[in-house]
Amino acid sequence: SQQGEEDPQALSIQEGENATMNCSYKTSINNLQWYRQNSGRGLVHLILIRSNEREKHSGRLRVTLDTSKKSSSLLITASRAADTASYFCAEGSGYSTLTFGKGTMLLVSP
Amino acid sequence: DTEVTQTPKHLVMGMTNKKSLKCEQHMGHRAMYWYKQKAKKPPELMFVYSYEKLSINESVPSRFSPECPNSSLLNLHLHALQPEDSALYLCASSQDTTGNEQFFGPGTRLTVL
Repeated sequence: SQQGEEDPQALSIQEGENATMNCSYKTSINNLQWYRQNSGRGLVHLILIRSNEREKHSGRLRVTLDTSKKSSSLLITASRAADTASYFCAEGSGYSTLTFGKGTMLLVSP
Repeated sequence: DTEVTQTPKHLVMGMTNKKSLKCEQHMGHRAMYWYKQKAKKPPELMFVYSYEKLSINESVPSRFSPECPNSSLLNLHLHALQPEDSALYLCASSQDTTGNEQFFGPGTRLTVL
């Protein structure tokens, strides 16, 4: 399966700043999901946006989806040191398989 | 209980050893997955079980053998592995196979000597 691209590969910001990560995908999707992974640990599901949705919010997270450009973005507002992690987008086909993007490593400094 | 558990957390094995990784969930999920993740790479799907039957095998070498004894348990049997098989092995589950969110375990860090 082809992996999508995430941009940037790494992002370093100060606490309180906003972090924006972008994801471009290749297939026709049923949904687009975002996951967080702390170093060497399992992934945690953050948010799912369906192909007929354009924007979704969850707490400090805001996700947008542009199916015409096959792209999505994840915005984390008022970042905290605890947000330091790798963030992956994943293309949901509507069946069981998820195709993960290459990920963005976010470092939030106190 | 919204947790996926995996044992062991770490495993070191020789190329001639036989070992097993275990995964358990009690969320009533009917789909379970094995992923392999190399350092600084995204997870790569290995196997999907749906209602305790193997539904997807992503061309994984036969030295990896999955087993789903019941709806809560998923095993990955390892035999004659290679050093390049060293990786983080992640188990996940989801309600079904219609593309909903997946819940991941903490992973088993495998080192093959």
